[in-house]
Amino acid sequence: GAVVSQHPSRVICKSGTSVKIECRSLDFQATTMFWYRQFPKQSLMLMATSNEGSKATYEQGVEKDKFLINHASLTLSTLTVTSAHPEDSSFYICSARIPSGANVLTFGAGSRLTVL
Amino acid sequence: GNSVTQMEGPVTLSEEAFLTINCTYTATGYPSLFWYVQYPGEGLQLLLKATKADDKGSNKGFEATYRKETTSFHLEKGSVQVSDSAVYFCALSDFGSSNTGKLIFGQGTTLQVKP
Repeated sequence: GAVVSQHPSRVICKSGTSVKIECRSLDFQATTMFWYRQFPKQSLMLMATSNEGSKATYEQGVEKDKFLINHASLTLSTLTVTSAHPEDSSFYICSARIPSGANVLTFGAGSRLTVL
Repeated sequence: GNSVTQMEGPVTLSEEAFLTINCTYTATGYPSLFWYVQYPGEGLQLLLKATKADDKGSNKGFEATYRKETTSFHLEKGSVQVSDSAVYFCALSDFGSSNTGKLIFGQGTTLQVKP
């Protein structure tokens, strides 16, 4: 149980286009989801906290107009990279807190974005 | 602020060798501590956790003890296998203090186990 699914797993786009990444909690409801970015051979950087029914909370230095987050339902959060550029190429991972109350996050498998 | 520091990798071991990956942390309050593992091309999976001082998390032969006095959470395994080759991340959460649910990760340590 407590599975988080991300889609797409890989996406290649042209510079200047927008890309949407979906994060779904498959068998539980997630009022809060977290979006991380992972650079090659580096750790995960928290980008933002996605809150169902309200605005996302962005970490310092993350452009909210560039990385649009929408959490329209209890099982779906989306990250849209707007006007993507090659420097946005990265591995994006979402996570959600499992409902057991054990303070554990479960992670999606990640989405690798390549901007040409 | 809160932070996690891991030993740099890669760590290269022969099969059945003993593994230690060091992790130390800086935190206010009483965070929970975690080890996550990332296999090639995959997302992160929780390996083990500890929620208070002196707790020992264990899973799949891996162990880590929450040491408040040394602010450490070192990962150990007595006999590694080739299938353990992956990137290991130490992390802490501030669920206890602010309940924001954020995880702060160390930089990750790559483990390579050779047959």
